[in-house]
Amino acid sequence: GDSVTQMEGPVTLSEEAFLTINCTYTATGYPSLFWYVQYPGEGLQLLLKATKADDKGSNKGFEATYRKETTSFHLEKGSVQVSDSAVYFCALGSGGYQKVTFGTGTKLQVIP
Amino acid sequence: DADVTQTPRNRITKTGKRIMLECSQTKGHDRMYWYRQDPGLGLRLIYYSFDVKDINKGEISDGYSVSRQAQAKFSLSLESAIPNQTALYFCATSDSRTAYEQYFGPGTRLTVT
Repeated sequence: GDSVTQMEGPVTLSEEAFLTINCTYTATGYPSLFWYVQYPGEGLQLLLKATKADDKGSNKGFEATYRKETTSFHLEKGSVQVSDSAVYFCALGSGGYQKVTFGTGTKLQVIP
Repeated sequence: DADVTQTPRNRITKTGKRIMLECSQTKGHDRMYWYRQDPGLGLRLIYYSFDVKDINKGEISDGYSVSRQAQAKFSLSLESAIPNQTALYFCATSDSRTAYEQYFGPGTRLTVT
């Protein structure tokens, strides 16, 4: 079945550091790929998405490129802020009933 | 006002008790979902509903039941709560026209003692 593997956290970075959170997936067909973010005490929010190979999703300075050849969708940001501290979930959507499969989440802590 | 609301936000209950978690949405979406979140396991799907008359089991439905009272309301019940159902529960919605983009409520933290 479909699965998503993302790097374990926590990831601790200093403010203005470069961020990469790795995500790889296994799926049949051509899934859509997503990053969701969960701030403390809140539900998940869609951060960005990509629906086909080579698409780049971007939002709030975060980017991720759909790489079919490496089955990856790594999240990057050039300069993180303390306010980016959260848990980040990679996810894929596929199937006729539109099931979403989530990774286990990566906690990011940004220190001043 | 929040688009997806969940009540209660926190609940402590005892083993064997029946408990209901409620979800309401004002987004006008036709699809609704219940997930549980456990540390290190991410989100796992309990039940999902594509409309009022279409309810389906997810990957971990044992010990849970649901009711879709209206397009905007989707309730999750634990018939006889057990300690390993202690978790954070999320309701989510989506529109059939924007596949896979789900909107989450703030969550209910449930503790079963």
